[in-house]
Amino acid sequence: GENVEQHPSTLSVQEGDSAVIKCTYSDSASNYFPWYKQELGKRPQLIIDIRSNVGEKKDQRIAVTLNKTAKHFSLHITETQPEDSAVYFCAASNEASARQLTFGSGTQLTVLP
Amino acid sequence: DSGVTQTPKHLITATGQRVTLRCSPRSGDLSVYWYQQSLDQGLQFLIQYYNGEERAKGNILERFSAQQFPDLHSELNLSSLELGDSALYFCASSVSGQSSYEQYFGPGTRLTVT
Repeated sequence: GENVEQHPSTLSVQEGDSAVIKCTYSDSASNYFPWYKQELGKRPQLIIDIRSNVGEKKDQRIAVTLNKTAKHFSLHITETQPEDSAVYFCAASNEASARQLTFGSGTQLTVLP
Repeated sequence: DSGVTQTPKHLITATGQRVTLRCSPRSGDLSVYWYQQSLDQGLQFLIQYYNGEERAKGNILERFSAQQFPDLHSELNLSSLELGDSALYFCASSVSGQSSYEQYFGPGTRLTVT
């Protein structure tokens, strides 16, 4: 089955700096890669996603890039703000596994004011 | 608010007991996915239902079962509970069409087994 690895596990940045979180996946059939933000005790919230027919997608301060050949994808957050502090999860899914999400282990992002 | 609802929010019960967690998907979504989030295992897929039928199974214990009803709400039944079953249980819903892969999570049920 699919295996998703996520790095780093913790990340501290100064407010206004950029943050990058990286994930690798193992199943070449995976073609959908969402990113979720989870605040303490809350639900995972979908913040951006990318499909395998696209190399990059942007939404205001966040962007995701995908390298299908290398089987890795990354989340980029620019001009970080304290409210960006949360745990971020990457995930992968494919049709053969009925679109179940296989999650990475999460990255605790702390934005220091 | 994702539009997915889950009840109860919190559940405290003893080992050996049985509980039922309930999930109502977003209006129009046919698929319901159940995930378990624990400190040591992270977010793990348990089981998926699509329009009343089981579609996929993940790392779900035999003591756990689920179903999806004609009104599309789903229930996750956990029996013979053990301390290690303490976790956050999320359901997520999706349209599950060719053009829509997004899953939206409910607020979760925090289960504490004592």
